[in-house]
Amino acid sequence: GEDVEQSLFLSVREGDSSVINCTYTDSSSTYLYWYKQEPGAGLQLLTYIFSNMDMKQDQRLTVLLNKKDKHLSLRIADTQTGDSAIYFCAESKAGGGNKLTFGTGTQLKVEL
Amino acid sequence: SQTIHQWPATLVQPVGSPLSLECTVEGTSNPNLYWYRQAAGRGLQLLFYSVGIGQISSEVPQNLSASRPQDRQFILSSKKLLLSDSGFYLCAWSQGGNGYTFGSGTRLTVV
Repeated sequence: GEDVEQSLFLSVREGDSSVINCTYTDSSSTYLYWYKQEPGAGLQLLTYIFSNMDMKQDQRLTVLLNKKDKHLSLRIADTQTGDSAIYFCAESKAGGGNKLTFGTGTQLKVEL
Repeated sequence: SQTIHQWPATLVQPVGSPLSLECTVEGTSNPNLYWYRQAAGRGLQLLFYSVGIGQISSEVPQNLSASRPQDRQFILSSKKLLLSDSGFYLCAWSQGGNGYTFGSGTRLTVV
């Protein structure tokens, strides 16, 4: 199957770390992605990780991949109000038009 | 650099009217192109994808169709809109494993 699941909401205080979780079912995934969507806008690629890696860090963003458990997480350090958005994880497989399967999205709300 | 253009940004159409949404990509050749619909501000549903000119794959049965008349042009159409066609439509392109680049979206309201 190709299900990708995320929790719907996450609320954090400004300055704290946010951790957004994602689980997937397809063990043949090659790349896993995190996208950010601000209200009324398209999706912006934040970062991605190849399936043979277990961690990737990019400034305030840290991606952890547990391939055995099919679990992906995005940690945002020092969360700011501008980080408030919907975050989507997505997985892809080689071939087949490079189709991505998206999660349901996690609404991150950053409170002062 | 590569850019993707999608228009219009918003559209209000009566039931039964035709639809044409256009998406163009610049700065790349032979991209994979995609149309997604996002309903209720959340889930993304893949409608169509194309790996080349004239090659369209439909993911779900629906009232819409897609065409790719040129390498970097992807069009989403309908002959007669239904109320259920309302939503936020996103075009995207990809090449290799670098993920998708999305357009800014079209908010379609069918009244």
